[in-house]
Amino acid sequence: QKEVEQDPGPLSVPEGAIVSLNCTYSNSAFQYFMWYRQYSRKGPELLMYTYSSGNKEDGRFTAQVDKSSKYISLFIRDSQPSDSATYLCAMSASGTGGFKTIFGAGTRLFVKA
Amino acid sequence: EPEVTQTPSHQVTQMGQEVILRCVPISNHLYFYWYRQILGQKVEFLVSFYNNEISEKSEIFDDQFSVERPDGSNFTLKIRSTKLEDSAMYFCASRADRGPNYGYTFGSGTRLTVV
Repeated sequence: QKEVEQDPGPLSVPEGAIVSLNCTYSNSAFQYFMWYRQYSRKGPELLMYTYSSGNKEDGRFTAQVDKSSKYISLFIRDSQPSDSATYLCAMSASGTGGFKTIFGAGTRLFVKA
Repeated sequence: EPEVTQTPSHQVTQMGQEVILRCVPISNHLYFYWYRQILGQKVEFLVSFYNNEISEKSEIFDDQFSVERPDGSNFTLKIRSTKLEDSAMYFCASRADRGPNYGYTFGSGTRLTVV
């Protein structure tokens, strides 16, 4: 079983739709959960981070973590064409030297105008 | 906003040659990383570096790879004898401190093409 699993998509939605992106993981030691956005041929850009279980909201973005199910989600409300990118879930465990982060494969999102 | 700067943006090299990829992390950051991303594949951890030494490395980071922080600002990745399968985007990243409250800041990457 892969340490982090993420559906690569692509996911295509109309402008204004609510987008749901998800990852599952197998390592129960993960405590820090992040979502990155990556535009083509660019480095990943941090969108959200969450510690342990719970929800976190930032503007149109909401991150959810369910540690009991080993499942994390990112919701994008009122999606815009500029949200078209690859979204990477990422996670790390405490106690690991330098907080090595493991990434999912990324989900490609297309938001159509 | 502070940035992680990587040079060159694109490097083409012949198989067997040595390459050095350069990074200037954000000035007050303490932890430094190299990741790579083969075209169409996931971002993979290579190595983390703190206090002038490697803190963790992956299976990918074999004896052909080395990292160095030769001065107070640069952080380099050297591949001693490149192979075709080393062709990928290489991303440098840094973070402010050991605490969990900050994700990485990534550079824009160096596209390495081994021919």
